[in-house]
Amino acid sequence: QKEVEQNSGPLSVPEGAIASLNCTYSDRGSQSFFWYRQYSGKSPELIMSIYSNGDKEDGRFTAQLNKASQYVSLLIRDSQPSDSATYLCAVSSSGGSYIPTFGRGTSLIVHP
Amino acid sequence: GAVVSQHPSRVICKSGTSVKIECRSLDFQATTMFWYRQFPKQSLMLMATSNEGSKATYEQGVEKDKFLINHASLTLSTLTVTSAHPEDSSFYICSARHIALNTEAFFGQGTRLTVV
Repeated sequence: QKEVEQNSGPLSVPEGAIASLNCTYSDRGSQSFFWYRQYSGKSPELIMSIYSNGDKEDGRFTAQLNKASQYVSLLIRDSQPSDSATYLCAVSSSGGSYIPTFGRGTSLIVHP
Repeated sequence: GAVVSQHPSRVICKSGTSVKIECRSLDFQATTMFWYRQFPKQSLMLMATSNEGSKATYEQGVEKDKFLINHASLTLSTLTVTSAHPEDSSFYICSARHIALNTEAFFGQGTRLTVV
């Protein structure tokens, strides 16, 4: 069974700090990796996708992928209170079906 | 960007009635749409995967006769909760996979269903 593990948190960081969110996955055949942000009572919003080893940066967000360690992370620089949300890691295998497996999410709290 | 519209955003219905939820990709064609259910403080639970013009594939434990899915076109999928019960009350969310992007999926706004 494919599993995606995340620490449920909450992860609490002060405003302006770097928030580091981690995710591990069990399926070595996984090819696509995503981070979604979900505010309370809202649906998830895609914020980052990464497909190859290394870092991918987009504004204040950096996704890091290490397939050998089956590990993907999300760094949020200069954290803002508006970043407070649950961050969901999603992983899918190669091929045409693309059925993502979601982690349970990590709750992030950025306090002023 | 890719926009997925889900309607209604909130619905209250009586036990025993049926509720239809629509999921539309507004500015792209979606080969595949996914339906999820999410209980408070829980993760997304995939209910079914639907492809345009074919029958939906349901996840284990999801009753296909209770949760009817119709994917009539590349831009529209519907989920009908039949004979709703209070335990069906949940947050239902659809997502659509962009036909060109092939891997990324975009979520609708979700539907908060309350069965009384």
